[in-house]
Amino acid sequence: EAGVTQSPTHLIKTRGQQATLRCSPISGHTSVYWYQQALGLGLQFLLWYDEGEERNRGNFPPRFSGRQFPNYSSELNVNALELEDSALYLCASSLHNRGLLTNYGYTFGSGTRLTVV
Amino acid sequence: AQTVTQSQPEMSVQEAETVTLSCTYDTSENNYYLFWYKQPPSRQMILVIRQEAYKQQNATENRFSVNFQKAAKSFSLKISDSQLGDTAMYFCAFIMKTSYDKVIFGPGTSLSVIP
Repeated sequence: EAGVTQSPTHLIKTRGQQATLRCSPISGHTSVYWYQQALGLGLQFLLWYDEGEERNRGNFPPRFSGRQFPNYSSELNVNALELEDSALYLCASSLHNRGLLTNYGYTFGSGTRLTVV
Repeated sequence: AQTVTQSQPEMSVQEAETVTLSCTYDTSENNYYLFWYKQPPSRQMILVIRQEAYKQQNATENRFSVNFQKAAKSFSLKISDSQLGDTAMYFCAFIMKTSYDKVIFGPGTSLSVIP
């Protein structure tokens, strides 16, 4: 069974540009979560999508947005990139919206390393 | 607000020895879950072990066990018989039962297993 896949692996953008990151969940998982892992800051919750809807978001500005497609894959868009947006962006998926509370748990991808120069 | 603290940014242990990673958290909630995740150089976060707050018995998964002290809000991870493959970042994490979509992670401890 394929795990959570993220693309691209690395992305380099200049300040002010837009970045698009993609995530494909495990087959059968309907919830997708996005986390930002900045150096020295641990993981910060960004967004949660379930059944095509944004269900919750963390303390990030509106230029961080995304969507979930009918096949449950997801896109994270970051507009007007700033230098401090440089981070590893991790996607996780789970069976519907009960995340860690299911036997399947919360499965992470390997992330997209975004560098803003 | 809920917070998770890991006071050891870096640790090292000799292969086959035992190491304990510390974690404390702060919450006013009573129903929650605690986790330890491992992030090796491959970057993928892997769930190591989890503990439900209402259970007094400490969780164990093979060589990994926790010492859960609810009153002290402490949740340490013990790795026995350390192996080279245990080298990774370890994150302590917390989730409230009422907000299970938002996991709160600690800053991580970088563990190196020395041959």
